[in-house]
Amino acid sequence: QKEVEQNSGPLSVPEGAIASLNCTYSDRGSQSFFWYRQYSGKSPELIMFIYSNGDKEDGRFTAQLNKASQYVSLLIRDSQPSDSATYLCAVNDFGNEKLTFGTGTRLTIIP
Amino acid sequence: DAGVIQSPRHEVTEMGQEVTLRCKPISGHNSLFWYRQTMMRGLELLIYFNNNVPIDDSGMPEDRFSAKMPNASFSTLKIQPSEPRDSAVYFCATSLTRTGELFFGEGSRLTVL
Repeated sequence: QKEVEQNSGPLSVPEGAIASLNCTYSDRGSQSFFWYRQYSGKSPELIMFIYSNGDKEDGRFTAQLNKASQYVSLLIRDSQPSDSATYLCAVNDFGNEKLTFGTGTRLTIIP
Repeated sequence: DAGVIQSPRHEVTEMGQEVTLRCKPISGHNSLFWYRQTMMRGLELLIYFNNNVPIDDSGMPEDRFSAKMPNASFSTLKIQPSEPRDSAVYFCATSLTRTGELFFGEGSRLTVL
């Protein structure tokens, strides 16, 4: 059974600081890794994906992947109150459409 | 494009009643997923279809749940009979095959009394 673990939080970060969200996964065969953001009462939306070890940057967001440690993280620089949401980590095997989600980390940015 | 459309948005029913949730996927998306979200268990995949064919229904909790996709523009998830533990938000999501980018509908919040 594929498992994806996240700290449920809540994680509180001052506005303008860096928010760091972490995720571990159990299946070494996992190939693709995704971060979804879910605002309260809304549906999840994709913000980043990463396939290769290392860092991937997109604006204020950086995804980091370490397959040897089975660890993926999301950094949010210059955190804004609008970043307050639950962040869901998801993984799948290459070519497999099934996404397994973690339970999410609730992030609160404090003005 | 209108996005993934789900109905009803909210459903309150009594234990034992039949519930039918509906989903219209984004045009051209050939994979469709039904997820259930609860506070305790997070997002759980119930079933997914590719080109209208059910590929994996291993997440369907029991025989009370069934799903169909009679054509490329419509899918249903049925619960019969419903139980209080079925109370959750049910999401339909669609994607182009094997991209991993899911587009979610707004969800159907089900409350079974």
